[in-house]
Formats: sequence, structure tokens, C-alpha cells
Amino acid sequence: DIQMTQSPSSLSASVGDRVTITCRASQGISKWLAWYQQKPEKAPKSLIYGASSLESGVPSRFSGSGSGTEFTLTISSLQPEDFATYYCQQYYTYPLTFGGGTKVEIK
Amino acid sequence: EVQLVESGGGLVQPGGSLRLSCAASGFTFSSHWMTWVRQAPGKGLEWVANIKEDGSEKYYMDSVKGRFTISRDNAKNSLYLEMNSLRAEDTAMYYCAQGRVMFDPWGQGTLVTVSS
Repeated sequence: DIQMTQSPSSLSASVGDRVTITCRASQGISKWLAWYQQKPEKAPKSLIYGASSLESGVPSRFSGSGSGTEFTLTISSLQPEDFATYYCQQYYTYPLTFGGGTKVEIK
Repeated sequence: EVQLVESGGGLVQPGGSLRLSCAASGFTFSSHWMTWVRQAPGKGLEWVANIKEDGSEKYYMDSVKGRFTISRDNAKNSLYLEMNSLRAEDTAMYYCAQGRVMFDPWGQGTLVTVSS
């Protein structure tokens, strides 16, 4: 199975900060990577697919990059509604696997 | 508006069975792969199973193979997950989601608790 490792597991940031979350795959997955946002007690929401393509309706302050084994999710200017947990997920092969999550909290 | 509504969760004893349902609306259900993803309390997301548009292909995570069965009824716009031989480690919120390998949107989830 492909292991997805996210770092950090949590971070504290202020509104307006630039935030970067890293996701590493245990083997190369090309650009077959998605990012999701989950707010407390809510279902996840898709943000990015293909490592860097924004889902329709997702604000442009979100961006994704990377290929192979290393990927990043960047929020250019953190907004109050962005405080949530973020997950990466590989879809290069079965079983489909998620990272452990990164919780973005208010400083 | 696309809507996915799960039901069927509850408290079940170890070794027991449960059938989850997901009612879909707002899109052509028969044209989309569908997926179940679960999340144990306070933990991360875990892909469980998915099923092709016509039900001809199904994939499962290893730990549920032989115990869980994913199915669908396109005439009823419904997705199902039959869960047998349930274990404590199956305790989780179970979400249905549209998609084969990328998931959007998701339902609100139904909670399955396996405990004696």
C-alpha cells in the first residue's frame, strides 16, 4: 500500500498568514493526488485534484503543487473560514489512501 | 443540487451485521462511480470500497474484503454497504461520496458503533 505522510500534523496560524502543508507519498504517484478540507462535524470537501487543479468554486488563495512523491497545499492568505483539517489522498493505485491530516488552528 | 443522504448506522455487537444506505439526488446516479469512506472517531479518513456505474466492478480495502459488500440500485438512486462480521475497529462515521478515485460531493455520514 502507498503510505501518505502529512506534515505538520497541526499548526497554529493567524488570519492573513501564508500556510503550507506537505504531503509525501511512499512511492511515486505522478500527479494523482487530491486535497480535501474538513471542518468539525462536517463531511470533507474536495479542494484540489491532479495535484494542482482547483475544484470549481474553491477560492484562488488555495493552490497545490508537486509530483512524484512530494506535494504541497498552500493557502496564500489564511481566512477565518479556512480553519479546518486538511487531508491529501493518492489515487494512483488501489487501495486509495489518505494522509493523516493537518489541523489548521487559530493562533 | 447534488445531495447524498446516508442512513442505517447504529449500535451493533461484535460479529453482528448492518446495512448502510445512501440516497442520491440531483444528478444522474447511474452515470457515476460511487464510494464509501469511513472515519473512526477522532481519526483520519479511510477509503472502504467503490463500485462502477453499472455495478460490474467493485473494489475493497483489504480489511473488509469478505465481510463488506458494496452494491447499488440505479432504479432507486441508491448505494448500499452490507457489513457482516463487524469488529470494534469498524466503528466509524461512514460517508458515501460521488466518484471513483476522487470524491465530491460527500454525504453527511452515518455513525456505526460496534460494541458489546
